[in-house]
Amino acid sequence: QQQVKQSPQSLIVQKGGISIINCAYENTAFDYFPWYQQFPGKGPALLIAIRPDVSEKKEGRFTISFNKSAKQFSLHIMDSQPGDSATYFCAASILTGGGNKLTFGTGTQLKVEL
Amino acid sequence: NAGVTQTPKFQVLKTGQSMTLQCAQDMNHEYMSWYRQDPGMGLRLIHYSVGAGITDQGEVPNGYNVSRSTTEDFPLRLLSAAPSQTSVYFCASSYVAGGSYNEQFFGPGTRLTVL
Repeated sequence: QQQVKQSPQSLIVQKGGISIINCAYENTAFDYFPWYQQFPGKGPALLIAIRPDVSEKKEGRFTISFNKSAKQFSLHIMDSQPGDSATYFCAASILTGGGNKLTFGTGTQLKVEL
Repeated sequence: NAGVTQTPKFQVLKTGQSMTLQCAQDMNHEYMSWYRQDPGMGLRLIHYSVGAGITDQGEVPNGYNVSRSTTEDFPLRLLSAAPSQTSVYFCASSYVAGGSYNEQFFGPGTRLTVL
């Protein structure tokens, strides 16, 4: 059972456009939602994260939108650049003591074309 | 700091062979974990540890063993490799602090093929 569902599987965006990746979760105990970025041949790296007590978090060109009632969150990449071409994973975690276990979505392969 | 290191980078095994994937971190992190990454399935947690001598199972533990004798090292053992264990394996580590998320730092991965 996939606890975190991610879409689309792949995405092609023109340079300067907006990339949008969506995730939905089922377990209401999740209370931390990070996004990871992975380049080919590398391990994932934390990009941006949000807690459910806020509806939006922005860091540079990257924004997370969070809808607690719908149990959905999304990543928006503004002014997408070829260097943003990577695989993006949403994830969810429960912040109990020592609670760093991550449940990942299936990933979105983003390609930004010139 | 080297961060999280993994060896080997690539490995080919025959069905039934055993091997150990090595993971080490030099950040004095209490929490260490192993994930496997398969196409279309994201990363799935295999085993994790919150400190030396303490390990627990994740989502897909079958076929894998772990131990944590030191803070720095967290090896993953495949006792009898199966083709279904063909995957890319990532080790990750982080601090542990109750009530707050601690960023997990991932290693570069080990690509394992079981024939």
